[in-house]
Amino acid sequence: GENVEQHPSTLSVQEGDSAVIKCTYSDSASNYFPWYKQELGKGPQLIIDIRSNVGEKKDQRIAVTLNKTAKHFSLHITETQPEDSAVYFCAAAGRRALTFGSGTRLQVQP
Amino acid sequence: DVKVTQSSRYLVKRTGEKVFLECVQDMDHENMFWYRQDPGLGLRLIYFSYDVKMKEKGDIPEGYSVSREKKERFSLILESASTNQTSMYLCASEGQNYEQYFGPGTRLTVT
Repeated sequence: GENVEQHPSTLSVQEGDSAVIKCTYSDSASNYFPWYKQELGKGPQLIIDIRSNVGEKKDQRIAVTLNKTAKHFSLHITETQPEDSAVYFCAAAGRRALTFGSGTRLQVQP
Repeated sequence: DVKVTQSSRYLVKRTGEKVFLECVQDMDHENMFWYRQDPGLGLRLIYFSYDVKMKEKGDIPEGYSVSREKKERFSLILESASTNQTSMYLCASEGQNYEQYFGPGTRLTVT
C-alpha cells in the first residue's frame, strides 16, 4: 500500500519568515495530494491540494509543489503569522483512500 | 458549507463496554471514513464506506466494526473496548473531487 513520510515533525519560525514542510510517497499511482491544517480542538481542514497533472499551485501565502518523478511534494507558507500555528498533515491518494503523513507541528513565534 | 458532526466530543468508557461513535454529514456525499489519530502516527484509516450498507476495511480495522444504514450517517462500533483504543476518532465525508471534510473529533478514553 501507500506510505507517506513527512518532515519535520516540529518546526518553529519567527513571524514573517517562511515555513516549508516536505512529504514523500511510495505509490506511483497516487494522483491527488492534499494538505490539511488542524488547530487545537478541531478536526483537520483542507487548505490546499494538488493533482498529478500540475507541478505547482498557489493560494495567497500558501503554495504546494509536486515532483512526480522524485515522488515528493512540499507545502510552502510565506510571511508566516501567529495564526498559522497548528499541526499540518500531508496526504496522498491513489488506488484506494487517502494515506496521511505523521504531521508537522508549526509554531510561529511573534 | 459542508457540515460533519460527531455525536460526542469526549467519551469515557470502561474496558469491555460496547461503544458507538456516530457521524452525520449534510452534503449527500457517498463516501465516508473513520480514522483514529495518535501522536506521531498521523491519521490512520479504520474503515470506510462508498455507499449505504457498503463497507471496506482500512489499515487498522481490528477491534472495530461499522454501520451505514443511511447515506448521511456512518457509525463506528467498538464491540468490546480496550485501553489500547484510547484515542482521538475522526470522521470524514468526501466530496466529488476527493477532498475530505472532517468532523471535530471524539476523544475516547477507555479505563
